[in-house]
Amino acid sequence: DAGVIQSPRHEVTEMGQEVTLRCKPISGHDYLFWYRQTMMRGLELLIYFNNNVPIDDSGMPEDRFSAKMPNASFSTLKIQPSEPRDSAVYFCASSLAGTNNEQFFGPGTRLTVL
Amino acid sequence: LAKTTQPISMDSYEGQEVNITCSHNNIATNDYITWYQQFPSQGPRFIIQGYKTKVTNEVASLFIPADRKSSTLSLPRVSLSDTAVYYCLVGDRDSGTYKYIFGTGTRLKVLA
Repeated sequence: DAGVIQSPRHEVTEMGQEVTLRCKPISGHDYLFWYRQTMMRGLELLIYFNNNVPIDDSGMPEDRFSAKMPNASFSTLKIQPSEPRDSAVYFCASSLAGTNNEQFFGPGTRLTVL
Repeated sequence: LAKTTQPISMDSYEGQEVNITCSHNNIATNDYITWYQQFPSQGPRFIIQGYKTKVTNEVASLFIPADRKSSTLSLPRVSLSDTAVYYCLVGDRDSGTYKYIFGTGTRLKVLA
């Protein structure tokens, strides 16, 4: 398996623009996670899905952020409109099951909002 | 909500044993404690996981006391390639929804 795939790897955009990050989890994994990492706040869980259903989105910073998982092999994280403070590395991870299961992380998307 | 605390950074020399402790005051009952390693420009990678007492694999050991309010990751005989950030991960169920909580991370620098 190729592992968790994220695209794009780098994104530079201007404030106010819409940004869409994409993730393909490992085939057969039932859980998908979106994280954000910054120097100031460390690694934060934004939202996670189980069998394509959002379970906990309490980490989503505000209404500008939305995440979807239309099927078991694809998820998106959208920011609209983007702001400079959204600049961070966004990781997607997947796991075979939920608690106590190893999470496999993708390479991340480095987002820069100017 | 469970809160995790780790030292911000540690320095060590090659060949030494390194112990990194994570304090987690309110983790979910019956849940494991997991440790991840992260290199620059990469996503975190699983190292080891345990519930209580001691767990050992080919790269590390994990010590968990009976009260499970902390855990210690032990890296034997570190090398320069162990320079990375190490995170503990615990779960919390207090709010009814299971939450995954990563520690603040410990930046380990191994010196020659």
